[in-house]
Amino acid sequence: SQTIHQWPATLVQPVGSPLSLECTVEGTSNPNLYWYRQAAGRGLQLLFYSVGIGQISSEVPQNLSASRPQDRQFILSSKKLLLSDSGFYLCAWSEGTVNQPQHFGDGTRLSIL
Amino acid sequence: GNSVTQMEGPVTLSEEAFLTINCTYTATGYPSLFWYVQYPGEGLQLLLKATKADDKGSNKGFEATYRKETTSFHLEKGSVQVSDSAVYFCALNNNDYKLSFGAGTTVTVRA
Repeated sequence: SQTIHQWPATLVQPVGSPLSLECTVEGTSNPNLYWYRQAAGRGLQLLFYSVGIGQISSEVPQNLSASRPQDRQFILSSKKLLLSDSGFYLCAWSEGTVNQPQHFGDGTRLSIL
Repeated sequence: GNSVTQMEGPVTLSEEAFLTINCTYTATGYPSLFWYVQYPGEGLQLLLKATKADDKGSNKGFEATYRKETTSFHLEKGSVQVSDSAVYFCALNNNDYKLSFGAGTTVTVRA
């Protein structure tokens, strides 16, 4: 069966520091991969998605970037974090065709001080 | 474009009460429809889905029927438990890789 791993679960970072969040999927090949942010008490905001290695689509211009160095690995990065980057970050995967449900990781709670 | 509208919460119920969360959508064609549940501090879990008109998705006592004529996909459960306290999201996928989510409805069930 397929599993998705996301880490770390919790992260506290100072303003201006770099960020790297990692997500890996097991048990499937060529998945679509997604990064979302959820602000406290709010809905989901799609940040990036990828339909293949090296292919990244950005939904919202911002202080973050994403990379997909391997088929089942998706990384969310920032060179300099802002206070507004605080939130709950969720990675998800879906089968590589349209109209598929997405399956989510457990999330990373990011607090910027 | 595609959009999903959910009833606003929060919704507070007593245990064993009947739960309905309304969801309507705007989309051309025949999207796939989903309900997700998010328990406190966790990621989203797929609760149920329906891929064509009149399909009924069901899981863990929850049901939702894809109504093309009313563009709706309302979530129902006949007897809720405290453990059903969570945020519920309606979503659609319309021939795309991306999901369109509703804003989420917070449900609290009191013992």
